[in-house]
Amino acid sequence: QQQVKQSPQSLIVQKGGISIINCAYENTAFDYFPWYQQFPGKGPALLIAIRPDVSEKKEGRFTISFNKSAKQFSLHIMDSQPGDSATYFCAARSPPGSARQLTFGSGTQLTVLP
Amino acid sequence: IAGITQAPTSQILAAGRRMTLRCTQDMRHNAMYWYRQDLGLGLRLIHYSNTAGTTGKGEVPDGYSVSRANTDDFPLTLASAVPSQTSVYFCASSDSGTNGYTFGSGTRLTVV
Repeated sequence: QQQVKQSPQSLIVQKGGISIINCAYENTAFDYFPWYQQFPGKGPALLIAIRPDVSEKKEGRFTISFNKSAKQFSLHIMDSQPGDSATYFCAARSPPGSARQLTFGSGTQLTVLP
Repeated sequence: IAGITQAPTSQILAAGRRMTLRCTQDMRHNAMYWYRQDLGLGLRLIHYSNTAGTTGKGEVPDGYSVSRANTDDFPLTLASAVPSQTSVYFCASSDSGTNGYTFGSGTRLTVV
């Protein structure tokens, strides 16, 4: 049962380009949607997050776009840099009254070419 | 440095052996989690604990057990390891009043 579907599995972008990673979810009760960045040999680290009552959130070069009616959200990395090369995971949090756990997508390995 | 400490960093384990992965946090977070990471499958929840003294099953709990005797420690035990438990295991914690998880650096386990 995959409640959060992430695509693409891998992505190669030229330096300065835009990286776009997409996620779709099934449970309309999810109430928080974070993105995590993971470098090799490290644990995932919170990058940016959004709540479903907001359609867009921007932090520096990173933007989340959220479409509640389509049950989709995406991460946009503007002016992509080689240092952005990492694995990115989207996630969704279960609602109050449950375990409040995060369900993760399958991950996207981003490579930014110099 | 505040955060989560996992041990060991890596381990090769013979099938059938018992193993405990250790996780300690110093942030006084209420909730703790164990995930396993496998290529193409992302992070899957094994067990969780919303507060000391309570635990719950995640998506893939079979073959694993946990305990939460105090706020800081959340060990994960494999009673009799099997090759399918070869994975990278991550411990995480969160403050019930905030939204984000803090992850440890992981334990790479190979069961042969």
